[in-house]
Amino acid sequence: DTEVTQTPKHLVMGMTNKKSLKCEQHMGHRAMYWYKQKAKKPPELMFVYSYEKLSINESVPSRFSPECPNSSLLNLHLHALQPEDSALYLCASSQGLAGAYEQYFGPGTRLTVT
Amino acid sequence: AQSVAQPEDQVNVAEGNPLTVKCTYSVSGNPYLFWYVQYPNRGLQFLLKYITGDNLVKGSYGFEAEFNKSQTSFHLKKPSALVSDSALYFCAVRESDRGSTLGRLYFGRGTQLTVWP
Repeated sequence: DTEVTQTPKHLVMGMTNKKSLKCEQHMGHRAMYWYKQKAKKPPELMFVYSYEKLSINESVPSRFSPECPNSSLLNLHLHALQPEDSALYLCASSQGLAGAYEQYFGPGTRLTVT
Repeated sequence: AQSVAQPEDQVNVAEGNPLTVKCTYSVSGNPYLFWYVQYPNRGLQFLLKYITGDNLVKGSYGFEAEFNKSQTSFHLKKPSALVSDSALYFCAVRESDRGSTLGRLYFGRGTQLTVWP
């Protein structure tokens, strides 16, 4: 099973709301990623977790807060977002950070900030 | 610095004809190279990768890619295109032996492939 699942599929939130995006994989992968993607553009890396520890934070604003409760789950907590944060948020996983491991992507959450 | 160039924003091809989507890369050391495909409103799907060895890599859905070290290229090919191949294609690279880039994939800007019937 090479599936990464993400919920919800769509999310509309106001600038004062708090919401969370969820990601799950059952492939035994030890690295998990959050990306932001604007239409017709490549994904932009936001955060990387390795063995449930934050490994990379690409200078993402603090209104985005990642969490890795266990090796299968990855959350992205959202608070006080701006309209320019509207995008497709992709979760991915891989066997590890080192080596030529491909990343497996979920279908994404389409976020609209009003 | 690591980077990927996809020189064509758009590639159009007739169904049944061969297709090529171009990718060139820049890394200091040895590259790991990947191709991903993205259908509308979906996540990226892994197609194939080059690690080492044979320069011709075969992947999913009949796609293959040719690694050319002297030209620093990794072009995606398919002998006979299908309408269902129409999608956005991304090339990505990571340097194999640079610890500071662990976890980072460097993506090209993407090439929109349209296969017309």
